[in-house]
Amino acid sequence: EPEVTQTPSHQVTQMGQEVILRCVPISNHLYFYWYRQILGQKVEFLVSFYNNEISEKSEIFDDQFSVERPDGSNFTLKIRSTKLEDSAMYFCASRRVAGGPRDEQFFGPGTRLTVL
Amino acid sequence: DQQVKQNSPSLSVQEGRISILNCDYTNSMFDYFLWYKKYPAEGPTFLISISSIKDKNEDGRFTVFLNKSAKHLSLHIVPSQPGDSAVYFCAASDTGNQFYFGTGTSLTVIP
Repeated sequence: EPEVTQTPSHQVTQMGQEVILRCVPISNHLYFYWYRQILGQKVEFLVSFYNNEISEKSEIFDDQFSVERPDGSNFTLKIRSTKLEDSAMYFCASRRVAGGPRDEQFFGPGTRLTVL
Repeated sequence: DQQVKQNSPSLSVQEGRISILNCDYTNSMFDYFLWYKKYPAEGPTFLISISSIKDKNEDGRFTVFLNKSAKHLSLHIVPSQPGDSAVYFCAASDTGNQFYFGTGTSLTVIP
């Protein structure tokens, strides 16, 4: 069964460093998402991506964040200068269609980011 | 600004009994609702959804009820099984592009 994969499973970084979180969505999916979950809190939407551009983004997704689909298979989230409060689980998700019937999102297992 | 709320952080139920998980929302523009299940160290997995044109959707042991006037939805699991023990998130969407999640309810099914 196809699944969304994410690497690494755990990333530890120093405050101020850049990190890149990687995701491989399901191959025939068209819509891609990043979410984060700070420990003990709700899952928060960061950004959605469709047709090689950002479709929607939340207020969390500021200039320190960027997303890219560099090669048609990977979907990356970059944090340019990490802060302590960026420590969280980051989930990638993909969805088959844009618009039309509301297919569910398929989530990856997450990357735990720890900023020291 | 918490548009989707799950007011019960945890719930314990005996195996075989009904589990009822509740979710409230504030945005009347939401028209699509989903429930996700999450095990530790895994991403959320889709469980069941409901469109605002319906008030009930059933899939095996899982039924979601939607009360639009009360802005309330619930997930019923009957009968509950120990493997159902997980964190359950409800989510809502108004455009299909952005999904708003609740804080989750941790369900423990006691054998």
